[in-house]
Amino acid sequence: DAGITQSPRHKVTETGTPVTLRCHQTENHRYMYWYRQDPGHGLRLIHYSYGVKDTDKGEVSDGYSVSRSKTEDFLLTLESATSSQTSVYFCAISPEGGEQPQHFGDGTRLSIL
Amino acid sequence: QKEVEQDPGPLSVPEGAIVSLNCTYSNSAFQYFMWYRQYSRKGPELLMYTYSSGNKEDGRFTAQVDKSSKYISLFIRDSQPSDSATYLCAAGRGSYIPTFGRGTSLIVHP
Repeated sequence: DAGITQSPRHKVTETGTPVTLRCHQTENHRYMYWYRQDPGHGLRLIHYSYGVKDTDKGEVSDGYSVSRSKTEDFLLTLESATSSQTSVYFCAISPEGGEQPQHFGDGTRLSIL
Repeated sequence: QKEVEQDPGPLSVPEGAIVSLNCTYSNSAFQYFMWYRQYSRKGPELLMYTYSSGNKEDGRFTAQVDKSSKYISLFIRDSQPSDSATYLCAAGRGSYIPTFGRGTSLIVHP
């Protein structure tokens, strides 16, 4: 297994509350990614990072923010969670972007009531 | 329309069958292609990576890319119940982040 740990693995929270998901890697990879996976939509990129403090938006970034203060940690924050953000969230890493294949964590199941 | 399309299935086959999973893509600039396997409640796991056209074999798995028809295939020989999973294809070019298909659910029954 690629050294990727996502926490928490499961979370139930209420609409309007802030939520932070953590991705921790032990591979020292430069690139880290956050995806959400929903039935009928597959994997959709939320944000990604190409270095410490270097981040960019993906196709579904509205309502999400990210931070990367250390190479090994990439945080995803929902500032004010909505029911539409109920999903499974996956973190992925790669040594470089593009051609280097991504390796995924086992996901966080987030339910927003 | 997504750049990478997959039939969601499910595809149900008997144990021992040869399985063919397919994707089509629309961007002729795609250069590299990947297949991931995803078990229930787990993250996608990289199965195969190919660059440009042609075949690549790894054990019971063969990945095939036909760039002229923009068609990607994954063949599984002697399928086993443990192969039951969702299979995602992905394609990309250069430094751009790859595009994933929505996945095909495969069920191999004993």
